Amino acid sequence: KAGVTQTPRYLIKTRGQQVTLSCSPISGHRSVSWYQQTPGQGLQFLFEYFSETQRNKGNFPGRFSGRQFSNSRSEMNVSTLELGDSALYLCASSSTGDETQYFGPGTRLLVL
Amino acid sequence: GIQVEQSPPDLILQEGANSTLRCNFSDSVNNLQWFHQNPWGQLINLFYIPSGTKQNGRLSATTVATERYSLLYISSSQTTDSGVYFCAVVETGGGADGLTFGKGTHLIIQP
Repeated sequence: KAGVTQTPRYLIKTRGQQVTLSCSPISGHRSVSWYQQTPGQGLQFLFEYFSETQRNKGNFPGRFSGRQFSNSRSEMNVSTLELGDSALYLCASSSTGDETQYFGPGTRLLVL
Repeated sequence: GIQVEQSPPDLILQEGANSTLRCNFSDSVNNLQWFHQNPWGQLINLFYIPSGTKQNGRLSATTVATERYSLLYISSSQTTDSGVYFCAVVETGGGADGLTFGKGTHLIIQP
């Protein structure tokens, strides 16, 4: 089985712009979670989607949003980018009845 | 929310040495995973171990849920074991089911 894939792998944006990141889960996995990793805050949970519905949300401002499609692929969007949004964004998928989360390679976002 | 503490924060060993990494958590959990983050940033699953003991080759892990800690053992270390090791948990009955990560143990294996 192919693993979790994320696109793009690297991205450079400027303050005030918006960005959309994409995640394709492992085939058959219906849950997709997003995490942000920064040197200062470490790894933090953003949100989780299951069957096209946001099931859980971490403590992030409304500028961070996401969605999931019927094929379980997910996108996350960050609007009005700030310098502090520079981070590695990781996506993870899991299957029903299995709590194990499998991570993709991440998207490195640099905001200038 | 639940607190996760990992120790030691940094560990430098010679190739062939054994190591023990510790993860303490502040409340009961229904999910505990160990990950190895490689130099390119990808989190590699090592174990899903909310309780009990598991082994996979040179790696093994033990979680004592009643005492709220987990240990990751690496035997006969190789340079490829270098990287950051994370423990992550989901609190039992927690409102947000995302993983809560510790700050990691940065392991360097010298040849």
